[in-house]
Amino acid sequence: DAGITQSPRHKVTETGTPVTLRCHQTENHRYMYWYRQDPGHGLRLIHYSYGVKDTDKGEVSDGYSVSRSKTEDFLLTLESATSSQTSVYFCAISGRQGHAEAFFGQGTRLTVV
Amino acid sequence: EDQVTQSPEALRLQEGESSSLNCSYTVSGLRGLFWYRQDPGKGPEFLFTLYSAGEEKEKERLKATLTKKESFLHITAPKPEDSATYLCAVQEGWTTDSWGKLQFGAGTQVVVTP
Repeated sequence: DAGITQSPRHKVTETGTPVTLRCHQTENHRYMYWYRQDPGHGLRLIHYSYGVKDTDKGEVSDGYSVSRSKTEDFLLTLESATSSQTSVYFCAISGRQGHAEAFFGQGTRLTVV
Repeated sequence: EDQVTQSPEALRLQEGESSSLNCSYTVSGLRGLFWYRQDPGKGPEFLFTLYSAGEEKEKERLKATLTKKESFLHITAPKPEDSATYLCAVQEGWTTDSWGKLQFGAGTQVVVTP
């Protein structure tokens, strides 16, 4: 799995509570991404990072924030979880020299009740 | 708005029955087109990258091709283990705002029966 670990793998949380998902990589890739996957919508980009402390918004960033204090870790935070944020979240990395492809983690299934 | 459209949404094949999946895109300045395989409950698994029209890549029973507006994933003599959802993604030309970001299609779910 290209040295990507997501935690937790499954989480159930209540509406209004904060939630943080973690992505850890051992590949030293520069770029890291958070996607969500929902039936009928496919994979959609939430936020991405192009270096330590350098992040930017994707197409569905409302209600989410990210942080990257180290090359290997990229955190996704839901400040106040809502039922619409029930989804499967995937972290991805890219930046291997001469290659544009991204590699994905195993995903985190988040349920907001 | 840039779009990536995959067809068909679902495909049911008999073992050995070859077929093709389509991915059409409207992004300007394509940097790369990617194919992934996704099994239930798992993350997408990288298959191929195509960079320019006319390029082809092969891996076992899979062959990906690229034209200026679409890509095809050909599955030759499929086996039940080829059952999965196949995702297509495109990456726009290099700019500060778009480097590395992938725009995905909704996928084609392939089921191969013995």
